[in-house]
Amino acid sequence: QQQVKQSPQSLIVQKGGISIINCAYENTAFDYFPWYQQFPGKGPALLIAIRPDVSEKKEGRFTISFNKSAKQFSLHIMDSQPGDSATYFCAAKTGANNLFFGTGTRLTVIP
Amino acid sequence: NAGVTQTPKFRILKIGQSMTLQCTQDMNHNYMYWYRQDPGMGLKLIYYSVGAGITDKGEVPNGYNVSRSTTEDFPLRLELAAPSQTSVYFCASSPTGIAFFGQGTRLTVV
Repeated sequence: QQQVKQSPQSLIVQKGGISIINCAYENTAFDYFPWYQQFPGKGPALLIAIRPDVSEKKEGRFTISFNKSAKQFSLHIMDSQPGDSATYFCAAKTGANNLFFGTGTRLTVIP
Repeated sequence: NAGVTQTPKFRILKIGQSMTLQCTQDMNHNYMYWYRQDPGMGLKLIYYSVGAGITDKGEVPNGYNVSRSTTEDFPLRLELAAPSQTSVYFCASSPTGIAFFGQGTRLTVV
């Protein structure tokens, strides 16, 4: 059973556009929600993260929106660039410090 | 700091062979994890450790074993390799549960 559901599976965006990736969860015990970025042949790297008592967090062109009542959160990439082309994973952390990952979104930003 | 280092980067195993995937971290993190990544499936937790001498099963532990004799090292053992274990394996460490990943080991079982 997938603890964190992620969509879409793949996404193609024009340079300068907005990329939006959505995730949903059921377990209300999750206490931290990070996003990871992975380039081919590399390990995932932490991109941005949010706690459930915050509705939005912005770091540069990357924004997480969090809806606690709906148990949903999303990653917005503003002014998407070809260098943003990668696979993005949402995740949720339990109090026991285990991370459960979504299935990933392959983002392609075309020039 | 090197961060999390995994060896080898690539390996081909025959069915029934055994091997150990090595993982070491130099950040003095208490938590360490092993994940496997399969296409379209995200990352699945195999085993984790909250400190030296303490390990526990994750979501998909069957066919694997781990040990944690030091803070730095967390090797993953495959005893009888099966084709279903063909995957990319990632080791990670964490001070608080937000993981820092190694570069991965691509394992093929034929």
